[in-house]
Amino acid sequence: GQQVMQIPQYQHVQEGEDFTTYCNSSTTLSNIQWYKQRPGGHPVFLIQLVKSGEVKKQKRLTFQFGEAKKNSSLHITATQTTDVGTYFCAGRPNFGNEKLTFGTGTRLTIIP
Amino acid sequence: GAGVSQTPSNKVTEKGKYVELRCDPISGHTALYWYRQSLGQGPEFLIYFQGTGAADDSGLPNDRFFAVRPEGSVSTLKIQRTERGDSAVYLCASSLLEGVEETQYFGPGTRLLVL
Repeated sequence: GQQVMQIPQYQHVQEGEDFTTYCNSSTTLSNIQWYKQRPGGHPVFLIQLVKSGEVKKQKRLTFQFGEAKKNSSLHITATQTTDVGTYFCAGRPNFGNEKLTFGTGTRLTIIP
Repeated sequence: GAGVSQTPSNKVTEKGKYVELRCDPISGHTALYWYRQSLGQGPEFLIYFQGTGAADDSGLPNDRFFAVRPEGSVSTLKIQRTERGDSAVYLCASSLLEGVEETQYFGPGTRLLVL
């Protein structure tokens, strides 16, 4: 079955440093979503990418979808303490199949 | 205008017992999803409803798990003969599918502990 892996599993950064998490799927995806989950909280939708090579930005966050639609990345510039949490990617294998497969997640901690 | 709600927030039960977990989606959302999340893991898909029908139940681990959504709104996840391995946070999400754009809104989850 479809597998979605993320690296790194954990990332500790000094406040103000940049952070990147990478997401890789074993199969081609129709679209990919990113979620953030704060400690003790539930996943909160951040963004969806659909097109090959697509890049979207939300303030300090930059999301990319690979050309082959099998990988994606999330980059945070100048991290802040509010960025703490686990970042998950989640992919769909094809249109019409609504099943989301979540990645393993990257847990970000910030050193003030 | 409330978000997705789930009850109970916590459930402690004994091995072999039956439990029901409830999800109230956002009003008007036609799609409803159940996930299970173990500590340190990402949410694991269980089942997806479009309206009243289960469109995809391929994630249910075995026949002890069953979910219903009789009126296309509230959904109940039912677990029979609970086992210790069923302990996890059970998350519900709802969405309004519009073409290829979709945002899933998650509830706070029910933390199930099977002793």
